Parts: sequence; structure tokens; C-alpha cells
Amino acid sequence: DVKVTQSSRYLVKRTGEKVFLECVQDMDHENMFWYRQDPGLGLRLIYFSYDVKMKEKGDIPEGYSVSREKKERFSLILESASTNQTSMYLCASRLRLAGVRNEQFFGPGTRLTVL
Amino acid sequence: GQNIDQPTEMTATEGAIVQINCTYQTSGFNGLFWYQQHAGEAPTFLSYNVLDGLEEKGRFSSFLSRSKGYSYLLLKELQMKDSASYLCAVRVYYNQGGKLIFGQGTELSVKP
Repeated sequence: DVKVTQSSRYLVKRTGEKVFLECVQDMDHENMFWYRQDPGLGLRLIYFSYDVKMKEKGDIPEGYSVSREKKERFSLILESASTNQTSMYLCASRLRLAGVRNEQFFGPGTRLTVL
Repeated sequence: GQNIDQPTEMTATEGAIVQINCTYQTSGFNGLFWYQQHAGEAPTFLSYNVLDGLEEKGRFSSFLSRSKGYSYLLLKELQMKDSASYLCAVRVYYNQGGKLIFGQGTELSVKP
């Protein structure tokens, strides 16, 4: 079974703090994703990485950056946390295959509260 | 733009059948996924459609009509454990294999 783990289930930070969210997958997947999930808005893509050291902006990248130094690990960074970044953050991974089902596998999420 | 619509909430009775609809307007359609998400847990894959028609997997079935921009998830013989949020997601063409656009999710409550 694919396993995607996230470093924390719950996190509380203060406005202006630098925040790191870590995600690790154990199935040698090339692609990794960071989403945020908010009531009424669904999951929205922040950033994704299609391989080590490669990254692409998603639909809502403002206020975030990412790092992918190793294939199994994808980090989301909030350079200066703000209250509007309070949300559930979900990481996902998948193989780099085109034209087939190739579903994404999700981690359990990190609920971040910024005070 | 990209838009996916699904009902916010639905309620059904244990043992019954429920159909959750999803309509979409996206560019570069390359497949539609349904995920199940229990409260506080990770979304888990349920079904995938890329061609028109019905895909059946046990108590769950999913239907797609590309010309109408429409899909539904059908859950039969409902069980209490089916109470969860059901996420419709369309894969659109993008760099390196496409990206998913999600609907807001449908919260299903199954009552005894």
C-alpha cells in the first residue's frame, strides 16, 4: 500500500512565523502535490513537483513556497504565516504516468491554525 | 475558467440507494475521479471514468457523459460507514501528467 505521511496532524502558529509542513511518501512516486482544503471551496492546488528539484505553481501559490530535495519528501513553506492561511493542508503523490488512471494518494492532512 | 459543481449535502437512509451528481466545465478533460473522505481523514480513491458509460465496483458505480459534462456516483445498499464527504475531481491537461480540479465535495449523511 502507498503510504503518504505528514509531519503533524495539528499545528498552531503565530502571524509572521515561518512554517514548514513536511510530506513523505514511500512508493517512489515522481509527482507530489500540496493542496489546501477549506469549507465550501474544496481542495485547491498550491504547488506540485514532478520530480526532484522541479516545481510548478498551482492555482493558489501566493504566500507559499516549496522544496523537493529528495524524491520521497516534499515540503510546503509559509514564509510569513497569516491568518488567512488557517486551513487543512493535504499532501498527495502519484506515479508519473500519462493516459491511465494514475490516481493521487493523499496524506492524512495537517490542520494549521494561525493566530 | 474551470468549474465543478456538486451538491453540498445529502441525506439518505441505511439500505437505500443514493446518487451524487457532479457537473463540470473544464478545458482539456482527461478523466474524472471520485474520492471518499471521512471526517479528519485522507481522501481515498473510489472510481475513475475517462470514457462515457458506467463503471461498477461492488456497491459503488460511477457514470460519465463527456458531451454533457456530467457524472454521478451511485451508492447502493447504504451502510452507516458510508457517511462521508464525496469529492468529484476532473483531471485536466497540464505539465507532466495533468492536474486535478476538485468540486467542493458532497457531505453524505446516512441515517438508520
